[in-house]
Amino acid sequence: KAGVTQTPRYLIKTRGQQVTLSCSPISGHRSVSWYQQTPGQGLQFLFEYFSETQRNKGNFPGRFSGRQFSNSRSEMNVSTLELGDSALYLCASSLRTGGDTQYFGPGTRLTVL
Amino acid sequence: SQKIEQNSEALNIQEGKTATLTCNYTNYSPAYLQWYRQDPGRGPVFLLLIRENEKEKRKERLKVTFDTTLKQSLFHITASQPADSATYLCALPASNDYKLSFGAGTTVTVRA
Repeated sequence: KAGVTQTPRYLIKTRGQQVTLSCSPISGHRSVSWYQQTPGQGLQFLFEYFSETQRNKGNFPGRFSGRQFSNSRSEMNVSTLELGDSALYLCASSLRTGGDTQYFGPGTRLTVL
Repeated sequence: SQKIEQNSEALNIQEGKTATLTCNYTNYSPAYLQWYRQDPGRGPVFLLLIRENEKEKRKERLKVTFDTTLKQSLFHITASQPADSATYLCALPASNDYKLSFGAGTTVTVRA
């Protein structure tokens, strides 16, 4: 089975811009979670989608949003980018919702200048 | 507040020795705990899951213990190899919504 894929792998944006990241889960996985990873804060949960519905949300501002499509593919959007949004954004898929074993993609490295 | 602490940021050991990593948690009552491995610039990879009614679990050279009384999990890499060099993360579900929370990780370096 193909693993989780994320596009793009690298992205450079400037403050104030917006960005959309894409994630394709493992075939058959209906849950997609997004995480932000930074050296200072570690791996922080952003949100989880299951069957096109947001099931869980972390403590991030409303500038961070996401959605899931009927084929389980997911996108996350960050609007009005800030320097502190520079991070590795990881997508993970799982069979079930709610803390199930996560299968991570390679991540998107976002740099905000 | 809920907290997950991994014993140290870095662990340097010699090839062939056993690496022991600690994951302590407070204000959680997890039904299970997971361990992941992360290599630089890559996403974490799932290694092992241990449930609250399991004292110990093994996978090849890896061994995990789970003590719900001490609120602690130990992760052992036996007969360590340079290829085991990576960051190891523990993760557990929050009690109320089951979303996974991760520890900061311990970076293991195995010297040949």
